[in-house]
Amino acid sequence: NAGVTQTPKFRILKIGQSMTLQCTQDMNHNYMYWYRQDPGMGLKLIYYSVGAGITDKGEVPNGYNVSRSTTEDFPLRLELAAPSQTSVYFCASTLSSGAPTQYFGPGTRLTVL
Amino acid sequence: DAKTTQPNSMESNEEEPVHLPCNHSTISGTDYIHWYRQLPSQGPEYVIHGLTSNVNNRMASLAIAEDRKSSTLILHRATLRDAAVYYCIVGGATNKLIFGTGTLLAVQP
Repeated sequence: NAGVTQTPKFRILKIGQSMTLQCTQDMNHNYMYWYRQDPGMGLKLIYYSVGAGITDKGEVPNGYNVSRSTTEDFPLRLELAAPSQTSVYFCASTLSSGAPTQYFGPGTRLTVL
Repeated sequence: DAKTTQPNSMESNEEEPVHLPCNHSTISGTDYIHWYRQLPSQGPEYVIHGLTSNVNNRMASLAIAEDRKSSTLILHRATLRDAAVYYCIVGGATNKLIFGTGTLLAVQP
């Protein structure tokens, strides 16, 4: 199993551009999550999903959108990039609410200039 | 979700035990206590979790106070590879993990 994979690893955007961060897991996990981590800070939950077709907001959802059309994929969309969205983005997954262990991807480092 | 309080940083010597404390006084009866760690430039990694009883695994031990308002992560013999930020998190339904700033553990050779 590859676990949780994220693409791209690095990206530089200009203000106002849009992009999609990809996240895929091959463990047949129902729950998936997107977090962002600013320098020297802990992770903050952006959005999460408890299954295909079901998504919900986390702590910091503004400026982002998600979709979950399959169990494996959970893309994160930035529509109008802003410098405040410069961060490292982590995707994670877990099997169900009864399985507390979350598996994290390697992260995407995004810079908005 | 319950809030946690951890020291900002701790130091340890290699091959000595490390006790990382965490306070979570507002924990509810169904909240698990999770510990994750984050090595430099990597995503968080699961360490251990528990509900009421003390727990052991190959990485660490988790000691939970009887009133569940605090817990301690125990690394039995710290190595240089254990240098990381350790996060104590309490979580409930849907496993939404609310990360604080964690404890930065430095391990001296």
